[in-house]
Amino acid sequence: AQRVTQPEKLLSVFKGAPVELKCNYSYSGSPELFWYVQYSRQRLQLLLRHISRESIKGFTADLNKGETSFHLKKPFAQEEDSAMYYCALSDAGGTSYGKLTFGQGTILTVHP
Amino acid sequence: GAVVSQHPSRVICKSGTSVKIECRSLDFQATTMFWYRQFPKQSLMLMATSNEGSKATYEQGVEKDKFLINHASLTLSTLTVTSAHPEDSSFYICSASPANIQYFGAGTRLSVL
Repeated sequence: AQRVTQPEKLLSVFKGAPVELKCNYSYSGSPELFWYVQYSRQRLQLLLRHISRESIKGFTADLNKGETSFHLKKPFAQEEDSAMYYCALSDAGGTSYGKLTFGQGTILTVHP
Repeated sequence: GAVVSQHPSRVICKSGTSVKIECRSLDFQATTMFWYRQFPKQSLMLMATSNEGSKATYEQGVEKDKFLINHASLTLSTLTVTSAHPEDSSFYICSASPANIQYFGAGTRLSVL
């Protein structure tokens, strides 16, 4: 069974500090990994996906298959980054194509 | 990105009544849509996969007779909570995917009195 673990429920940093949100997964097949963000009173939206290797709003995430991790990083946090962040895994090539398994979420608070 | 519309955004109902929630893909066709449930400050739990023209696939532990899903067209899926009880009060979210990226509705907050 696939599983996504975000060990930190809460994470607080000061503006300008680096931030890393941890995500580990367990999956036997070929996964696709995503980070979704939910700002206050807004819907869940895609932040980035591992196959695109993009940097969105200064965030990056590298898939480490050896450590089965997909940590989200940003070198200089901004107050507007405060939100709930979810790591999610999709079965890229299996019969449950598109079905997402979410981690528990990390609430990031960036203090001024 | 793609737009998914969910309606209503909030509903309050009496115990024992049924509530229907609609999920529409506005600018793309979706043969598959997903229904999630989210408890306060917790993660999203997948309830079921809605398949256009066929039966929905429910996750383990989700009562299919309680949560009826209909996906009659390529742009509309509905979730009906039948005989709702206070423990069904929750935030229900749908998503649809034009590719392997899911776009989410704004959610429906259901309160059962």
